[in-house]
Amino acid sequence: GAVVSQHPSRVICKSGTSVKIECRSLDFQATTMFWYRQFPKQSLMLMATSNEGSKATYEQGVEKDKFLINHASLTLSTLTVTSAHPEDSSFYICSARDQTGGFNQPQHFGDGTRLSIL
Amino acid sequence: AQKVTQAQTEISVVEKEDVTLDCVYETRDTTYYLFWYKQPPSGELVFLIRRNSFDEQNEISGRYSWNFQKSTSSFNFTITASQVVDSAVYFCALSEAKNAGNMLTFGGGTRLMVKP
Repeated sequence: GAVVSQHPSRVICKSGTSVKIECRSLDFQATTMFWYRQFPKQSLMLMATSNEGSKATYEQGVEKDKFLINHASLTLSTLTVTSAHPEDSSFYICSARDQTGGFNQPQHFGDGTRLSIL
Repeated sequence: AQKVTQAQTEISVVEKEDVTLDCVYETRDTTYYLFWYKQPPSGELVFLIRRNSFDEQNEISGRYSWNFQKSTSSFNFTITASQVVDSAVYFCALSEAKNAGNMLTFGGGTRLMVKP
């Protein structure tokens, strides 16, 4: 079945570092991918919609310059957390849908990236 | 605007008990999908079920069953004869047809703890 690969699975780095997270659809093409953030013991909150070949759409309250999204191909979207600070520590998870099957296809999620900023 | 409410934040049961996780949703769209996902401690989201708004038939898959009732805007999930491996956070989610990419709105999640 459809698989979404997310890399890396875990990142620990110093404050001020920029971190790039990759989300790949392995056996299908996705013109749209989604990035979610999940704080400990909380639900998943949509951060942005990544659109292939165009600008991402950010949810209210999400800083565009802080969370850079690039969707350069039909199988890859990247989320870069720029100049990360401890408050950016969270679990980030991406999802994508095989749109060739129409609306009837479910979302597939990556395994998530646990980001810890020291 | 769409909204999903999971009123139970934590449930604790003893193995072999049946347990029902509640999910209530709000949407103005007539065409939508409802989902349940399982998130074990390792963090990944495991897809359990998708139900469209035009199909109110209940579904059973092994020890899992789902009760979709449009009249009460609910999509409840029952685990029969629970097992320790069922311990996880369970999320109910909603996707409206008008969202071309099908973004999901998640409920707050219910943490299920099954004790031996």
